[in-house]
Amino acid sequence: AQSVSQHNHHVILSEAASLELGCNYSYGGTVNLFWYVQYPGQHLQLLLKYFSGDPLVKGIKGFEAEFIKSKFSFNLRKPSVQWSDTAEYFCAVPSPGYSSASKIIFGSGTRLSIRP
Amino acid sequence: NAGVTQTPKFQVLKTGQSMTLQCAQDMNHNSMYWYRQDPGMGLRLIYYSASEGTTDKGEVPNGYNVSRLNKREFSLRLESAAPSQTSVYFCASSSVHGSGANVLTFGAGSRLTVL
Repeated sequence: AQSVSQHNHHVILSEAASLELGCNYSYGGTVNLFWYVQYPGQHLQLLLKYFSGDPLVKGIKGFEAEFIKSKFSFNLRKPSVQWSDTAEYFCAVPSPGYSSASKIIFGSGTRLSIRP
Repeated sequence: NAGVTQTPKFQVLKTGQSMTLQCAQDMNHNSMYWYRQDPGMGLRLIYYSASEGTTDKGEVPNGYNVSRLNKREFSLRLESAAPSQTSVYFCASSSVHGSGANVLTFGAGSRLTVL
């Protein structure tokens, strides 16, 4: 079965620091990859997605992620974080064998705290 | 455009009581999902419904039942609540991208406490 690993459980950074959050998945076939974000008191929303093509994808609020097939990774990056980026970040991927009936599996999440 | 609406937002139950969480979407999405969120565990899929009339188990279905009442509504029922079911529950629905991948739209969540 597909699994998603996020190894950073809690990351604390100062404003303007660079960010990289790790995401690894287990299935090596064709994948669609997602990052979702949950700001304090808000519900989850899509941050960015990879379906095909350029492995470097851009999302909202200056975030980007790079799909590296050989490493089964889809790490989230931002060159300079802001206090407003404080949130919980989730990597997600559909289980293999499911197409339009996608059974979407999430990682355990990374809580990002930004010091002003 | 309300998106995905869940009710109730908060609920406290005693062990053994039953309850139903309601979810409705107005985006004409085919697929709907129920997840639970627990600290350090991320979101775990309980059940999902690929289309009206179908439901399938997710990662943690034990202790839950679901009903896809129509295309808009997908309810989650706890027949005999247990303290281990204390969690925040999220309903989601999805549109299918051209590649066949689903992008989820989430509701605001329902916080359930079982004493």
